[in-house]
Amino acid sequence: DQQVKQNSPSLSVQEGRISILNCDYTNSMFDYFLWYKKYPAEGPTFLISISSIKDKNEDGRFTVFLNKSAKHLSLHIVPSQPGDSAVYFCAAIERGGADGLTFGKGTHLIIQP
Amino acid sequence: GAVVSQHPSRVICKSGTSVKIECRSLDFQATTMFWYRQFPKQSLMLMATSNEGSKATYEQGVEKDKFLINHASLTLSTLTVTSAHPEDSSFYICSARAGTENEKLFFGSGTQLSVL
Repeated sequence: DQQVKQNSPSLSVQEGRISILNCDYTNSMFDYFLWYKKYPAEGPTFLISISSIKDKNEDGRFTVFLNKSAKHLSLHIVPSQPGDSAVYFCAAIERGGADGLTFGKGTHLIIQP
Repeated sequence: GAVVSQHPSRVICKSGTSVKIECRSLDFQATTMFWYRQFPKQSLMLMATSNEGSKATYEQGVEKDKFLINHASLTLSTLTVTSAHPEDSSFYICSARAGTENEKLFFGSGTQLSVL
């Protein structure tokens, strides 16, 4: 049973527009969420995170929103740029627990010129 | 940010041979390193958690005799795929935890293993 779900395997967005990547989770013990960006044949790089005590975290063009009641988070990228084309992984963790990060399957974001 | 070096980036080997993948934290001490595996279009799946100086903790379904993990120092962990088979072909990624923040892992660049 997948505890972190990214239901859109791919997303195509025009350059300059807003990209919205969605992530749902089922484990109510998760209290910290992260987004990673991954280019082909490279390891993931940390992008932005949010604690469960917040509902929004912003860093430049990237904003993550968390809706705890819906167990849903989203990553907004605005404006989208060609270099944003990559696979984005949503990850979650229970900080007091012993397990590592649980990742979603990823969403391939394609920014079209 | 912290740097994690993973080597080799790509390896092709014959079935039955063993392959060693190294993961080094270059500018920090990593008491814990994690090994992940990713199949195409799948998520990163945690294989094992490696703590310096002790035996690795393997996730359910991961054969510890097949995937040997050694974390002999605070800056180096190795994953050895023993007697590799074509079904072991995958993308292997290590990550290291800097300090006590379990959330902010720093990842190596990954190793694409192809077993013929």
